[in-house]
Amino acid sequence: QQPVQSPQAVILREGEDAVINCSSSKALYSVHWYRQKHGEAPVFLMILLKGGEQKGHEKISASFNEKKQQSSLYLTASQLSYSGTYFCGTAYGSGNTGKLIFGQGTTLQVKP
Amino acid sequence: NAGVTQTPKFQVLKTGQSMTLQCAQDMNHEYMSWYRQDPGMGLRLIHYSVGAGITDQGEVPNGYNVSRSTTEDFPLRLLSAAPSQTSVYFCASMRDRRSYEQYFGPGTRLTVT
Repeated sequence: QQPVQSPQAVILREGEDAVINCSSSKALYSVHWYRQKHGEAPVFLMILLKGGEQKGHEKISASFNEKKQQSSLYLTASQLSYSGTYFCGTAYGSGNTGKLIFGQGTTLQVKP
Repeated sequence: NAGVTQTPKFQVLKTGQSMTLQCAQDMNHEYMSWYRQDPGMGLRLIHYSVGAGITDQGEVPNGYNVSRSTTEDFPLRLLSAAPSQTSVYFCASMRDRRSYEQYFGPGTRLTVT
């Protein structure tokens, strides 16, 4: 039931773009994206809801393909501050219960 | 607001000991959750609560108990610690079912020897 993230790790230079994918084997209600810097707590980035609604930060974009049960997070013109581990959290069923199942994470390193 | 607070920050237990990890939030959030984080495994949900007096199991509930007697507090009890419970534990809260952002506490690093 745990969603699968790919790639496991990415190394970029400043200004380059990256895409992180999240796939589920079950029908999704929503996909949530979080970023965690080393030694810190995860921080909310955005959520994508079934039906197309998105809520989150302006500088980050994502997509949600309901048919394929997949979501992708797009990081454009990456900055050093983008470094960290990105997690997708998935929710199932028909409503928001606060119950999230997270993927194993994708580590992103941005170099100068 | 202090947000979500967790105590202690670090703890070492011996196998078989019991203890309670404390979690409190001052944002009047209805929903609270406990996660454990192990290398390469991401965040795994232990227990969660949608309001005072209401709790439910997550992915990995065995060996842990929770209760929610107040909106503010959501303690996690380890009944008989095992080395497999060595992990970093995060508590999180969310305002209500119309909100989706979970706010995480700073974490408790637990080692069981």
